[in-house]
Amino acid sequence: AQKITQTQPGMFVQEKEAVTLDCTYDTSDQSYGLFWYKQPSSGEMIFLIYQGSYDEQNATEGRYSLNFQKARKSANLVISASQLGDSAMYFCAMRGGSNYKLTFGKGTLLTVNP
Amino acid sequence: NAGVTQTPKFQVLKTGQSMTLQCAQDMNHNSMYWYRQDPGMGLRLIYYSASEGTTDKGEVPNGYNVSRLNKREFSLRLESAAPSQTSVYFCASMDWGITEAFFGQGTRLTVV
Repeated sequence: AQKITQTQPGMFVQEKEAVTLDCTYDTSDQSYGLFWYKQPSSGEMIFLIYQGSYDEQNATEGRYSLNFQKARKSANLVISASQLGDSAMYFCAMRGGSNYKLTFGKGTLLTVNP
Repeated sequence: NAGVTQTPKFQVLKTGQSMTLQCAQDMNHNSMYWYRQDPGMGLRLIYYSASEGTTDKGEVPNGYNVSRLNKREFSLRLESAAPSQTSVYFCASMDWGITEAFFGQGTRLTVV
């Protein structure tokens, strides 16, 4: 079975500061993919970043980076220089390599304060 | 390029009524997914189809059925709607070699 755990229901950050959103996962697959999505109050799902289980480098996309620690089964999202528009719900997800099941965590609500 | 299209966007049902949520993707993806989103629960997987011709249960399949009609379309059916099925439903698709799942705009379903 695969499982995603996000332990922070809500996080607050000051504008222009960095913030880390936690994600741990559990799977018996050797090959898998990890994703982060953003969901603003308007409701659409916005893809942010992807990390493959065999990727040796941490993924980066602009202000987003994924801190991948395979041995600890963690895939934390780091947002640098937070902006007011970053206020949203953030979801971590995993796709298993053996069954292509795509599982999401419960999410973290990020609020960026001016 | 439309991506993933869900219909309808909003629906109100009475308890016991049935309905089908439609999802179609035009990206030739192999895998398709149905989720429900409830406050504080994240996105919970209802059913998924790893490839055309296959379907598998997710975390919360009870009360739902699915049909992978062809490679493009994956429908979700509520045979006898219950108030507990009030939720926002999302359809998603992705392919084996790509690194992003694409989502529809969601269907807000209310069962009264």
